[in-house]
Amino acid sequence: RKEVEQDPGPFNVPEGATVAFNCTYSNSASQSFFWYRQDCRKEPKLLMSVYSSGNEDGRFTAQLNRASQYISLLIRDSKLSDSATYLCVVNRDFNKFYFGSGTKLNVKP
Amino acid sequence: DVKVTQSSRYLVKRTGEKVFLECVQDMDHENMFWYRQDPGLGLRLIYFSYDVKMKEKGDIPEGYSVSREKKERFSLILESASTNQTSMYLCASRETGVLVTEAFFGQGTRLTVV
Repeated sequence: RKEVEQDPGPFNVPEGATVAFNCTYSNSASQSFFWYRQDCRKEPKLLMSVYSSGNEDGRFTAQLNRASQYISLLIRDSKLSDSATYLCVVNRDFNKFYFGSGTKLNVKP
Repeated sequence: DVKVTQSSRYLVKRTGEKVFLECVQDMDHENMFWYRQDPGLGLRLIYFSYDVKMKEKGDIPEGYSVSREKKERFSLILESASTNQTSMYLCASRETGVLVTEAFFGQGTRLTVV
């Protein structure tokens, strides 16, 4: 079983829509959680960390559910520039980061 | 701004060649990583290093080795390149701290083995 699983998508949404992605992780010992964004042919970049209490950064909201072992990312008022692949990342054992294969988002005019 | 620089964006090598991928970071980070990224499989950790001359195997170390002679430089070596090592290779670095900190990535090297 993969450490981290994501729906590959693509999610095709119109501008202004709200879209949500989920990601499940298999190891309950996982400690830290992140969402990274990767544009086509570019390197991944940190979008936001995910805290136990949930956290928000502008139009982006991240949630963690330890009991069900999933994290989520909600994007409100989608922009064309939000089109990218979103990678779910889970950490345990200090330097072991496990990446999902990504969810592709296409925001259309 | 943290900068992680990989020596090549694109490489084409022949089967059996020894291949060196170089990565340099300018933020004095202790930890450096090599990943490969393949469609549908995500990023998979090959090796990481938490200090000069220290290295640890990741999840898929077979066919690879690494070298960290200086803190800022982490090299990935394909001892004898094979076609199944055709992939995007990403180097990353991060600092050590009480909290797990962000990893910064290089721009990637797309390696094709023919």
